[in-house]
Amino acid sequence: AQKITQTQPGMFVQEKEAVTLDCTYDTSDQSYGLFWYKQPSSGEMIFLIYQGSYDEQNATEGRYSLNFQKARKSANLVISASQLGDSAMYFCAMREDFSGGYQKVTFGTGTKLQVIP
Amino acid sequence: GAVVSQHPSRVICKSGTSVKIECRSLDFQATTMFWYRQFPKQSLMLMATSNEGSKATYEQGVEKDKFLINHASLTLSTLTVTSAHPEDSSFYICSARTGDYNQPQHFGDGTRLSIL
Repeated sequence: AQKITQTQPGMFVQEKEAVTLDCTYDTSDQSYGLFWYKQPSSGEMIFLIYQGSYDEQNATEGRYSLNFQKARKSANLVISASQLGDSAMYFCAMREDFSGGYQKVTFGTGTKLQVIP
Repeated sequence: GAVVSQHPSRVICKSGTSVKIECRSLDFQATTMFWYRQFPKQSLMLMATSNEGSKATYEQGVEKDKFLINHASLTLSTLTVTSAHPEDSSFYICSARTGDYNQPQHFGDGTRLSIL
């Protein structure tokens, strides 16, 4: 089973509009973390936002917010007021903690967002 | 803050050559570093996790003798692709994190490796 599922391979959004990128995850752990990263065509990975499994409030970072619904195991990224520079691949990732201090971060398959002027 | 430098950004070399890629955390101590491989238009595949001063933990299917990882200090990890072949051509990207599990991984800019 996929640990992280991003069902939208590609999305379009009009400039200045808001867009939601979907992410669902699968884990039986109580303690985990969820991340969103942006990867422009140049290849670098840019950290956007983090949500811990015990965080009661949804994370927000500027124009980015994470809609965390724990019971549904979803962690959707909301980008408000889209800008042309937001065009990129977006990856959802989950950190799982294992015994002995070993951690693993699994990435989803990504969503390619294109912002239309 | 949290800058990770990866070098070189691009390598083109002949089959059979060994290639070393460096990953440095410039402004923080990276207790843990990760090495990923990314094929075109695909997600990141974790190859190995390394903690400073100890042996790397490799993911299933990743040959440890092929991909040598050294994490000798809190600011430097290296990945050496030994006797590289065309099928090793890929985008390799490292990331680093402090000891705090809740902190995100910060990524280098990646290395595009092409083996002729």
